[in-house]
Amino acid sequence: QQQVKQSPQSLIVQKGGISIINCAYENTAFDYFPWYQQFPGKGPALLIAIRPDVSEKKEGRFTISFNKSAKQFSLHIMDSQPGDSATYFCAASREKKSSGDKLTFGTGTRLAVRP
Amino acid sequence: GAGVSQTPSNKVTEKGKYVELRCDPISGHTALYWYRQSLGQGPEFLIYFQGTGAADDSGLPNDRFFAVRPEGSVSTLKIQRTERGDSAVYLCASSLRWTGPGMNTEAFFGQGTRLTVV
Repeated sequence: QQQVKQSPQSLIVQKGGISIINCAYENTAFDYFPWYQQFPGKGPALLIAIRPDVSEKKEGRFTISFNKSAKQFSLHIMDSQPGDSATYFCAASREKKSSGDKLTFGTGTRLAVRP
Repeated sequence: GAGVSQTPSNKVTEKGKYVELRCDPISGHTALYWYRQSLGQGPEFLIYFQGTGAADDSGLPNDRFFAVRPEGSVSTLKIQRTERGDSAVYLCASSLRWTGPGMNTEAFFGQGTRLTVV
């Protein structure tokens, strides 16, 4: 059972454009929603994260929009740059002592930003 | 070290052989996680250590997989009787001690060990 569904699988954006990646989750117990960026041959790195008590969080060019009732959240990358070309993963976790911050990941979106 | 270190970077082994993958977490990080990432997929949780003990091993696929962290720092993921389906990138992540709800601590990932079973 895939608990976090991510789309699109791949995305091509022109430099300066807006990249939008969407995720939907099933488990209403999830209470922490991070986005990770992964470059080839590297491990994922935390980009930005949100908790369900807010509907939006912005850090620089990156914004998470969160819709608790729809169980959906999305990543917006404004003014996309070629250096943003990477694979992006949404994730979710349910905080509890026995599992810490065990993450459930989406399947990833490969973003290519054309110059 | 400055980050999470995983060795080896690449491991090619024959079907049926035993392998050990090592993770050296960031100094002071008591929480340690192992994930497995198959080609074109997101990482999948395997096991979580808080200190020396495995607090959650619900992601280990079967009893051929085992992980230890005897001194609460370095961890080793052990795979017995490897199968071609075990081929994947094995990722390790570490973080500060999780202290309670709302106190998420960032997990830092290593670069992974690419395991190929031939």
